[in-house]
Amino acid sequence: DQQVKQNSPSLSVQEGRISILNCDYTNSMFDYFLWYKKYPAEGPTFLISISSIKDKNEDGRFTVFLNKSAKHLSLHIVPSQPGDSAVYFCAASETGANNLFFGTGTRLTVIP
Amino acid sequence: KAGVTQTPRYLIKTRGQQVTLSCSPISGHRSVSWYQQTPGQGLQFLFEYFSETQRNKGNFPGRFSGRQFSNSRSEMNVSTLELGDSALYLCASSSQGFGVTEAFFGQGTRLTVV
Repeated sequence: DQQVKQNSPSLSVQEGRISILNCDYTNSMFDYFLWYKKYPAEGPTFLISISSIKDKNEDGRFTVFLNKSAKHLSLHIVPSQPGDSAVYFCAASETGANNLFFGTGTRLTVIP
Repeated sequence: KAGVTQTPRYLIKTRGQQVTLSCSPISGHRSVSWYQQTPGQGLQFLFEYFSETQRNKGNFPGRFSGRQFSNSRSEMNVSTLELGDSALYLCASSSQGFGVTEAFFGQGTRLTVV
């Protein structure tokens, strides 16, 4: 049972435009959400996170939005750069659980 | 400081064999988690260790086991390998555990079962 879902396996965006990656979750107990980026032959790298007490967190070109009522979060990358091309994983956890539930990933391709 | 180190990077085993994978966390980190990544399934949680104690376990058969040593290094073992165990196995370390502090992943061990 996939508790975190990324329904778009791939996304292509022109350089300089906005990339929007989406993620849905089913477990209402999740209260901490993260995005990881993964290049081929490397482990996932932490990108940005958000606690359920917030609805937005921004770090440079990356902004994560959380809509708790819809159990939906999104990652916005503005402006997109070719170096952003990677697989992006959404993940969620519940306080005290000590493990993360990951989505299946979205492959982002930024076209120069 | 050095990152999370996983050895070996690549491994080919035959069905029925067993395998042991190793993970050295970032110095000072006491939490080590293991994940299995397969195409279409994302990262599936295997187990998490903190100070040599398994705190949480995912939904995997008993053929998958792990342990953590006093220096926080961790090993995972898979016995009676099946073709479906072919995957990238990732280890992550953090100071306290996921959801509390940021976790750092190693490059993974690519296991192929033939």
